[in-house]
Amino acid sequence: NAGVTQTPKFRILKIGQSMTLQCAQDMNHNYMYWYRQDPGMGLKLIYYSVGAGITDKGEVPNGYNVSRSTTEDFPLRLELAAPSQTSVYFCASSFDRGTYEQYFGPGTRLTVT
Amino acid sequence: AQKITQTQPGMFVQEKEAVTLDCTYDTSDQSYGLFWYKQPSSGEMIFLIYQGSYDEQNATEGRYSLNFQKARKSANLVISASQLGDSAMYFCAMRGYGGSQGNLIFGKGTKLSVKP
Repeated sequence: NAGVTQTPKFRILKIGQSMTLQCAQDMNHNYMYWYRQDPGMGLKLIYYSVGAGITDKGEVPNGYNVSRSTTEDFPLRLELAAPSQTSVYFCASSFDRGTYEQYFGPGTRLTVT
Repeated sequence: AQKITQTQPGMFVQEKEAVTLDCTYDTSDQSYGLFWYKQPSSGEMIFLIYQGSYDEQNATEGRYSLNFQKARKSANLVISASQLGDSAMYFCAMRGYGGSQGNLIFGKGTKLSVKP
């Protein structure tokens, strides 16, 4: 199993550009999550999904959109990139939201200039 | 509102010694879970250990143990016999199972450096 994969690993965007961060998991997990990690900080939840077709906002959703058309994929869309979105983005998945741990992807380092 | 507090921005420990990383939490949920993750310099997040709020025994996973003191709302991570490979950021996290919707909340982390 590849686990949770993310592409790209690095990206530099200009202010106002848009892009999609890709995330896929092959563990048949229903729950998937997007986090951002700012320098010197813990992770903050952007969006999450409890299954295909169902998504909901986390703590910091502004400036982002998500979709979940399949169990495996959970892309994160950035519209009109801003310097405040410079961060490391992690995708994660879990079997459920209870006692099971979340499995994290390797992260995408995004810089907006 | 839920909150995780890690008061130690950085810690040093001598190789082969034990170290305790502090974590306190605040929640109004009666049922919740506490997690510790390790983030090495390569950046990935690695799950270490889990403790449920109703678990009577402290969780252990190899050299990792979680010192859970419910009345004090603390969930400290103890690493025994530190190794050079333990040098990393360590994050405490919590998930509530009540009105908090079950999302994972992270602390700011503690940077552990193991000295040879």
